[in-house]
Amino acid sequence: AQSVTQLGSHVSVSEGALVLLRCNYSSSVPPYLFWYVQYPNQGLQLLLKYTTGATLVKGINGFEAEFKKSETSFHLTKPSAHMSDAAEYFCAVSHNNAGNMLTFGGGTRLMVKP
Amino acid sequence: DTGVSQNPRHKITKRGQNVTFRCDPISEHNRLYWYRQTLGQGPEFLTYFQNEAQLEKSRLLSDRFSAERPKGSFSTLEIQRTEQGDSAMYLCASSSTLGDGYTFGSGTRLTVV
Repeated sequence: AQSVTQLGSHVSVSEGALVLLRCNYSSSVPPYLFWYVQYPNQGLQLLLKYTTGATLVKGINGFEAEFKKSETSFHLTKPSAHMSDAAEYFCAVSHNNAGNMLTFGGGTRLMVKP
Repeated sequence: DTGVSQNPRHKITKRGQNVTFRCDPISEHNRLYWYRQTLGQGPEFLTYFQNEAQLEKSRLLSDRFSAERPKGSFSTLEIQRTEQGDSAMYLCASSSTLGDGYTFGSGTRLTVV
């Protein structure tokens, strides 16, 4: 069985500050890991994904995440927050990349203060 | 390519009525997925198709839920005898088998009154 835990359902940062959204997973097999962003009343948009290879993954909008197997973590970071980054962020795990099921965490709402 | 399209965007129905949602995936994607998202939660997997074959349906929430993809293109999700607990956002996604990840639609928000 696989599961995802996102620590902190709400995170607030000032504009220009570092964004750090935490994700820990459990999986009995090597995982594929994803971060999605959701704006109000919209579907989910893929930010970035880790499948194999380089553990530091760069995505859209300046976000990146690092897969740390020893810590079972896949935290999302962005050096400088922008007001437009305010949204809900979801971490997800799958057994294979375009496979049959994603398991999502509960989400973290990012608020950006001016 | 206009992405994944879901209709309707919003549906309000009375308890006990049947509802049907439609999803049109990206045309070259052969996999199609349905998820449910309740307020403040992450999406929850319901079922998926590869072409017209429904390969996983054990996660459908009850026998009131059913999904079809008759010609391997669009899909429908039906909920019979709706209950207030069915109120949620129903998300559709599609993917190819090439490993590019999912593309989600904007969802159908169901409100059961």
